[in-house]
Amino acid sequence: GQNIDQPTEMTATEGAIVQINCTYQTSGFNGLFWYQQHAGEAPTFLSYNVLDGLEEKGRFSSFLSRSKGYSYLLLKELQMKDSASYLCAVSGNTPLVFGKGTRLSVIA
Amino acid sequence: EAGVTQFPSHSVIEKGQTVTLRCDPISGHDNLYWYRRVMGKEIKFLLHFVKESKQDESGMPNNRFLAERTGGTYSTLKVQPAELEDSGVYFCASRASVSYEQYFGPGTRLTVT
Repeated sequence: GQNIDQPTEMTATEGAIVQINCTYQTSGFNGLFWYQQHAGEAPTFLSYNVLDGLEEKGRFSSFLSRSKGYSYLLLKELQMKDSASYLCAVSGNTPLVFGKGTRLSVIA
Repeated sequence: EAGVTQFPSHSVIEKGQTVTLRCDPISGHDNLYWYRRVMGKEIKFLLHFVKESKQDESGMPNNRFLAERTGGTYSTLKVQPAELEDSGVYFCASRASVSYEQYFGPGTRLTVT
């Protein structure tokens, strides 16, 4: 079967660093995506990993280990506007499979 | 450049009625996807168009759902007749053939009462 797990909720302090983990079991693997979704808005693309390692893009970084079926999204220098849901999605032999998302609350 | 647009943003209908959702992808994007998020659940794939052809419709729940993309531009998703369990947010996404990134629309929130 196909399964993607990520924590339901996380809370972090403004200016801090937070790591959101995602583990997956899918049929085939063609890449892992992270999306950000503010309430009532469209999911927006953050990152794409297809090879093992760390991809850095500004304050956001994403890591992938294909052998472990594991990824994380790292957010640095947290800002209040980073409060949102973060969705992990995997592309495999089937279309994109999404996790339920992690709701991140950034507090002062 | 305009993003993916969806219409309507909200729709409230009674069980048994028909509703048609529309998606306008980013101009030039051959790939168009429909997804649905039921409350408390993850976003789930419904189907994928490449231009006007259905590439994959394995996620369509049943034959009450009909998707079309005549001319390979905008797409419609019709639910007929609607049932209570069809309530949720329906997202559309589009992707250029040379890219892996899907751009999502804001979604249509469908409530069936």
